[in-house]
Amino acid sequence: EPEVTQTPSHQVTQMGQEVILRCVPISNHLYFYWYRQILGQKVEFLVSFYNNEISEKSEIFDDQFSVERPDGSNFTLKIRSTKLEDSAMYFCASSEGAAGGRGETQYFGPGTRLLVL
Amino acid sequence: KNEVEQSPQNLTAQEGEFITINCSYSVGISALHWLQQHPGGGIVSLFMLSSGKKKHGRLIATINIQEKHSSLHITASHPRDSAVYICAVEGGQNFVFGPGTRLSVLP
Repeated sequence: EPEVTQTPSHQVTQMGQEVILRCVPISNHLYFYWYRQILGQKVEFLVSFYNNEISEKSEIFDDQFSVERPDGSNFTLKIRSTKLEDSAMYFCASSEGAAGGRGETQYFGPGTRLLVL
Repeated sequence: KNEVEQSPQNLTAQEGEFITINCSYSVGISALHWLQQHPGGGIVSLFMLSSGKKKHGRLIATINIQEKHSSLHITASHPRDSAVYICAVEGGQNFVFGPGTRLSVLP
């Protein structure tokens, strides 16, 4: 069964460093998402991406964050200058659907646990 | 902004019991998702609902759009159902997640 994969599974970085979290969505999916979950807190939406551009983003997704689909298979989340409060589990997800096809079932990756020291 | 609440926050049940988890939200939505988060952190999508009722195995999800309320039911619960169950809504404010309900099913 196809699945969403994420690398690395764990990442430790120093405050102020740039990190890139990688995701490989399911191959025929068109919508991609990033979420984060700070330890002990609820899951939070960061951004959705369709047709090579951001379709929606939350207030969390500020100028420190960016997303990219560099090569047609990977979907990346970059944090330019990490802060302590960026420590969280970051989940990637993907879903099928044509334009405007919101409300589709999403398939989640296993997550990347980011720790900023 | 949509406020999503879940009840109960924690639930302990004996194997075989019928379980209900509730979700309510404050603003109209286009769809509601029920997710299961395993103890290791992984998330699995269980249902996506925009109206009515869906059933998958021992799981049933219902939504009442007028009441802004959804329920997730588990029949004949089993210890492997132990997880955090999360309600998430999508609409004008992107995706908003509930705090989750932690379910423990004892053998």
